[in-house]
Amino acid sequence: DAGITQSPRHKVTETGTPVTLRCHQTENHRYMYWYRQDPGHGLRLIHYSYGVKDTDKGEVSDGYSVSRSKTEDFLLTLESATSSQTSVYFCAASYGNTIYFGEGSWLTVV
Amino acid sequence: ILNVEQSPQSLHVQEGDSTNFTCSFPSSNFYALHWYRWETAKSPEALFVMTLNGDEKKKGRISATLNTKEGYSYLYIKGSQPEDSATYLCALNSGNTPLVFGKGTRLSVIA
Repeated sequence: DAGITQSPRHKVTETGTPVTLRCHQTENHRYMYWYRQDPGHGLRLIHYSYGVKDTDKGEVSDGYSVSRSKTEDFLLTLESATSSQTSVYFCAASYGNTIYFGEGSWLTVV
Repeated sequence: ILNVEQSPQSLHVQEGDSTNFTCSFPSSNFYALHWYRWETAKSPEALFVMTLNGDEKKKGRISATLNTKEGYSYLYIKGSQPEDSATYLCALNSGNTPLVFGKGTRLSVIA
């Protein structure tokens, strides 16, 4: 357990509104990730971070931005939410070959 | 982008049956292969991390094998139980790249 917590765990928002999901870890892991999980697609990488202020895009980064101003926090922002961003979002952090996941954030965009 | 394929997409077995499913990946630039068990509304649970060709790992009734030269891994479940029902995810990382996941195999064990 890498002490990963996500907030909010559940959110319903309207199309066009900004949304920020927060991931917090307590184990000082260098690498952190945001994935989204959709039926038939497994887990797809949105963005990841390899250190404070060091981030890179993943497979499905369009419409998302991230920030990491502290080791322990990795924020995912949807600048203007769309219905296609309705999904379950998982944050993760890694140590060596082991990746630990948060419990997910369910986002519904109506 | 690495391509990780899992088959079958879904599987229904009777309680007590043994079963297995496959993860295929490109054999070049292999670094590590991960298996996760994921239940809806929970975070994925790490089962195995495998790095060496020929590796075999076991955890209770679940075991996995790895062939990096031909690019596949098998996950076996012996004597399936209803509590084994879940989606089993395979993921690959190559060097310093983040994990790339397959789409998963959804297992349903019928009592």
